[in-house]
Formats: sequence, structure tokens, C-alpha cells
Amino acid sequence: QKEVEQNSGPLSVPEGAIASLNCTYSDRGSQSFFWYRQYSGKSPELIMFIYSNGDKEDGRFTAQLNKASQYVSLLIRDSQPSDSATYLCAVKGDKIIFGKGTRLHILP
Amino acid sequence: GAGVSQSPSNKVTEKGKDVELRCDPISGHTALYWYRQSLGQGLEFLIYFQGNSAPDKSGLPSDRFSAERTGGSVSTLTIQRTQQEDSAVYLCASSPILDFTGELFFGEGSRLTVL
Repeated sequence: QKEVEQNSGPLSVPEGAIASLNCTYSDRGSQSFFWYRQYSGKSPELIMFIYSNGDKEDGRFTAQLNKASQYVSLLIRDSQPSDSATYLCAVKGDKIIFGKGTRLHILP
Repeated sequence: GAGVSQSPSNKVTEKGKDVELRCDPISGHTALYWYRQSLGQGLEFLIYFQGNSAPDKSGLPSDRFSAERTGGSVSTLTIQRTQQEDSAVYLCASSPILDFTGELFFGEGSRLTVL
């Protein structure tokens, strides 16, 4: 059974601090890795994807991938109240599967 | 339309009735996924259509669930003899399979409530 694991949270981070979200996956054949953000009552939206080991930065967001450890992370710098949402890790092997998500709460 | 369209947006049904949920993907997108999201939970994979290949049905929870995709476009998810545990938001997503990112574009979902 291919799995994607995330800490469900909630993760509370002060405004302006760095939020760190983590994800592990079981399928070593996975090719691409995604972070989706989902606001309450809304559909998920893609914020980052990564497919090579190392870091990928996009504005305040940095995705980190370590295929040897089967580990993906998302860092959010200068956290804002608008970053409060559920963050879903997704992994693409023969299909795209999601973790259960981590609820992030930015404290004003 | 510009995005993935799902209907109905809300469906309330009685236990034991059959329901059909429809998804109209973005034009030209060859990949189509159905996921289920129960309250406060993540996205549970149900089924994946990729072009003309046989669908990956490995996530369907029981034989009461079925899905088809006609003409490589519109998809219908059918739940027979609905049970209360089927209550959830059913999300459809499409992707241009040749897009290396594999980004999924989601519809607004169909909220199913089984009384």
C-alpha cells in the first residue's frame, strides 16, 4: 500500500516566523512531489512542485526533497495570517496520491 | 468552460438510493482523477483515467462505486445503494498528462449527504 504521511497538526506559528511542514512517502518509484494549499470549504490549489533532490524556492516558499530519505518538506518564510490553511503533500508515481494534510495556523 | 466543472454541487439523498456525480474536465486534459474528502480529512484516491488506457480503479472502496469516462472527456461517478459513510465531498481533478509538473486542476466538488 503506497502511502503519504503528514502530521495532522494543528501547527501554530507566530506571524513573521518560519513554518515548516513535513511529509514522508513510501513509494521509492515516485517521480514528482507537490504541495497543495486548501482553505476551509475550498478546493486544493498547487503552490509548489519539486522533482529533483535539493531545494526549490518560489517567493516565500521553499520545497525540499530528499529521495534517499523519502522526505519532502515545505518552508514558509515570513508567515502571514493568510497562510492559515491545510497543506496537502501529494506524490506522483503511477498516480497522484495525497497525504491527510497538516493544518497550519498563523498567530497574528 | 475555463475550469473543471462538477455537478451537482450539493446532493442530499436517502440511504439506499443511487447517485451520479458528473465531472467536466478542462478541454484537452487527458488525465482525470476522482478523490473523496471526508470532513477534516485528506484526499482519498478513488479512480484515475489516463487517455485511452484502462482506468486505475484501485481506490474504489467497494463494488457500489463505479466510474466511467465517455469520449475521453466527461466522467460520471456512480454510487449505488448509498450508505451514510459515503457522505463526503467528491472532488474531480484533471491534468494535461504531457505537462511535466503533473499539476492537478480541481473542480469545486460535489458535497454528498446521505441521510
